[in-house]
Amino acid sequence: DQQVKQNSPSLSVQEGRISILNCDYTNSMFDYFLWYKKYPAEGPTFLISISSIKDKNEDGRFTVFLNKSAKHLSLHIVPSQPGDSAVYFCAASPLMDSSYKLIFGSGTRLLVRP
Amino acid sequence: EAGVTQFPSHSVIEKGQTVTLRCDPISGHDNLYWYRRVMGKEIKFLLHFVKESKQDESGMPNNRFLAERTGGTYSTLKVQPAELEDSGVYFCASSPRDLSFGSGTQLSVL
Repeated sequence: DQQVKQNSPSLSVQEGRISILNCDYTNSMFDYFLWYKKYPAEGPTFLISISSIKDKNEDGRFTVFLNKSAKHLSLHIVPSQPGDSAVYFCAASPLMDSSYKLIFGSGTRLLVRP
Repeated sequence: EAGVTQFPSHSVIEKGQTVTLRCDPISGHDNLYWYRRVMGKEIKFLLHFVKESKQDESGMPNNRFLAERTGGTYSTLKVQPAELEDSGVYFCASSPRDLSFGSGTQLSVL
């Protein structure tokens, strides 16, 4: 049973517009959430994170929103650029878990069209 | 700073053979993790080392998988004997906190 779900396997957006990637989780013990970006033939790279004490975290063009009551988070990319085309993984972890084991979603492939 | 390095980048073996994957973490990172992505699905946790000790190996699929981290430096993941369902991309990651991933080993079992 997947604890972190990314229900959209792919998303296509025009350059300059907003990309919104969604993620849902089921485990209420999750307190720390991350987004990773993955290019072909490379490992995932850390993009942005948020802890449950916040509902928003912003880093340049990237903003992550967390809705704890809905167990939902989203990644907004504004404006989207062709170089943003990649697979985006949502991940979650209980902060109190000393092993810091991340639970990943299955990824959303983003294509930004020039 | 050198990143997490994994060898080989690709491995193609026949069912029943043995394969050993290697991971060199970022220098000084005590935490080392193995993850696997099968058939484009989610990236799944396999196990976690703190230095040379296995902290959590709850994600290891079965006893055909053996991970070691001698001396708390590099780690190896051996699959013996390999089965068809073991095919996938095996990622290693290390951290003091947010994980830094290697580029993975694409394992194909035929």
